[in-house]
Amino acid sequence: GQQLNQSPQSMFIQEGEDVSMNCTSSSIFNTWLWYKQDPGEGPVLLIALYKAGELTSNGRLTAQFGITRKDSFLNISASIPSDVGIYFCAGHFGNEKLTFGTGTRLTIIP
Amino acid sequence: GAVVSQHPSWVICKSGTSVKIECRSLDFQATTMFWYRQFPKQSLMLMATSNEGSKATYEQGVEKDKFLINHASLTLSTLTVTSAHPEDSSFYICSARPPSMVAEQFFGPGTRLTVL
Repeated sequence: GQQLNQSPQSMFIQEGEDVSMNCTSSSIFNTWLWYKQDPGEGPVLLIALYKAGELTSNGRLTAQFGITRKDSFLNISASIPSDVGIYFCAGHFGNEKLTFGTGTRLTIIP
Repeated sequence: GAVVSQHPSWVICKSGTSVKIECRSLDFQATTMFWYRQFPKQSLMLMATSNEGSKATYEQGVEKDKFLINHASLTLSTLTVTSAHPEDSSFYICSARPPSMVAEQFFGPGTRLTVL
């Protein structure tokens, strides 16, 4: 099935740095979701976006729904060790299914 | 709120046996649940959409006779991997969508299946 393109594929940063990742699609979505997955666990919902242009924060996380409805980005400020994991975007349009991104793996260098 | 559980968290079985995985929504009723499969270092791939009281909808390429789905109640869906083979070894994750939400899915912790 279709997958959304996420970039970067992986990131190696130092604790305290800010992080930015994005997700792009060839088709439009009505809802964008961002999830975080820890090793051996299921994804956990971080942020949901419902309108084009919407900017939403959840603690140190900020996400935006792109104006074209074909992209979204996620920023993490002042990263901490527990931010390590894989971040997935997901888009939703019309039917029941979510379309997931390819994932961005975040690693914090000690 | 919106907690989803899965059981078992891991299972090891012999080739040719069947394995049942349960997915429960603990604090909400879910008319629709979803089953995903995830290989190492890859994204989630939807296998099927489980609908309470009706047949599941399978994604293209997923064998419905091999991956049996039963959504017997508003809080329970089961996935049975029949006649499992080593290539079925994977991480299986379910999710459920609260009826008040249009898009959000809440995921279980996953089940690691290893077929020897």
